[in-house]
Amino acid sequence: RKEVEQDPGPFNVPEGATVAFNCTYSNSASQSFFWYRQDCRKEPKLLMSVYSSGNEDGRFTAQLNRASQYISLLIRDSKLSDSATYLCVVRGDSNYQLIWGAGTKLIIKP
Amino acid sequence: NAGVTQTPKFQVLKTGQSMTLQCAQDMNHEYMSWYRQDPGMGLRLIHYSVGAGITDQGEVPNGYNVSRSTTEDFPLRLLSAAPSQTSVYFCASSYISAGELFFGEGSRLTVL
Repeated sequence: RKEVEQDPGPFNVPEGATVAFNCTYSNSASQSFFWYRQDCRKEPKLLMSVYSSGNEDGRFTAQLNRASQYISLLIRDSKLSDSATYLCVVRGDSNYQLIWGAGTKLIIKP
Repeated sequence: NAGVTQTPKFQVLKTGQSMTLQCAQDMNHEYMSWYRQDPGMGLRLIHYSVGAGITDQGEVPNGYNVSRSTTEDFPLRLLSAAPSQTSVYFCASSYISAGELFFGEGSRLTVL
């Protein structure tokens, strides 16, 4: 089993719809969680950190479920510009090493 | 705003050749790292550094060498290139206490 797993997609979603995807992690001792966004042939950029109580940033909501060991990302009122690959990242036992999921590709269609 | 600068952006090598990927950051970050990204796989850590003179191995260090003589620079050396090292390489940096990694634009390497 991979340490961090994501559905690769692609998720094809009409503009304005709500879309959600999950990421599961295997190390129950993991302490920090993040979502990064990566546009085609570009570098990853931090979208948001994921806090234990869940957090929201505009149209984006991230949640953590420690019991089931997954994090989720919800995007409301999706825009064409949301089309990208979303990478789930978990900080493992070492403070200096992050474990990256392979990413979920999202395509927003007009 | 320079941020993290990687060079070259593209490189083609023959098997057995060596080369150095350059990485520089101007944000005074203590932490710097090199990743490789392959299709269908997550970013994998090659080497990292938590300060000048300090380096450590990541998940996939074989075939690569690094050094950190200054806070700003963290070059990655391929000692004897192999086709399995064909990949996209990213340099990233951050403050040690922070969660956000800042990435360079990537270097696309092909080994024939």
